[in-house]
Amino acid sequence: DTAVSQTPKYLVTQMGNDKSIKCEQNLGHDTMYWYKQDSKKFLKIMFSYNNKELIINETVPNRFSPKSPDKAHLNLHINSLELGDSAVYFCASSPPSGRAEGLFFGEGSRLTVL
Amino acid sequence: AQRVTQPEKLLSVFKGAPVELKCNYSYSGSPELFWYVQYSRQRLQLLLRHISRESIKGFTADLNKGETSFHLKKPFAQEEDSAMYYCALESGGSNYKLTFGKGTLLTVNP
Repeated sequence: DTAVSQTPKYLVTQMGNDKSIKCEQNLGHDTMYWYKQDSKKFLKIMFSYNNKELIINETVPNRFSPKSPDKAHLNLHINSLELGDSAVYFCASSPPSGRAEGLFFGEGSRLTVL
Repeated sequence: AQRVTQPEKLLSVFKGAPVELKCNYSYSGSPELFWYVQYSRQRLQLLLRHISRESIKGFTADLNKGETSFHLKKPFAQEEDSAMYYCALESGGSNYKLTFGKGTLLTVNP
């Protein structure tokens, strides 16, 4: 299946822990993103990488660090987790045409911080 | 800076009734607008893009630059249309980025 896949789908952890979410796309896209969907379903971009280079970095705490080992992967590492980090994190990718096709999203990773 | 406003958080209609989900935008450049849909516990999917002027699942959306709107419409709602709908604006330039509205939860009642 050609898709954007994220792991894990669910993550429950304690405050103060460090966790990672992985994302892979086999669509051959150059650009990948992390979006955060909060409890009110508001979607907001966090980061964007193009060919492994960071191109968008919204106002996100330094505890969040994205890493792109290659253009098919974009991982998100979160240090010292806080209650407010509980959300669904969506990975997405877009082709070079971008404008015509929009974003392709993963299924989301639901993070719950206790 | 670009902004997308979806004034209705919740919208409830009966099956067979017309539905219109409102979207207004603010952007200084030439806008590229999209509608995304998220069915219960599923990934976001692209529903419509204004540049292609298509009708998907009976939905249409027309870009009105004078009113800075991109409302999503369907003449006869179906129960399976119940979902979260997001309007999104693409900011141009080399950094392709989508800014989403806060979403409207559509419920179609039998």
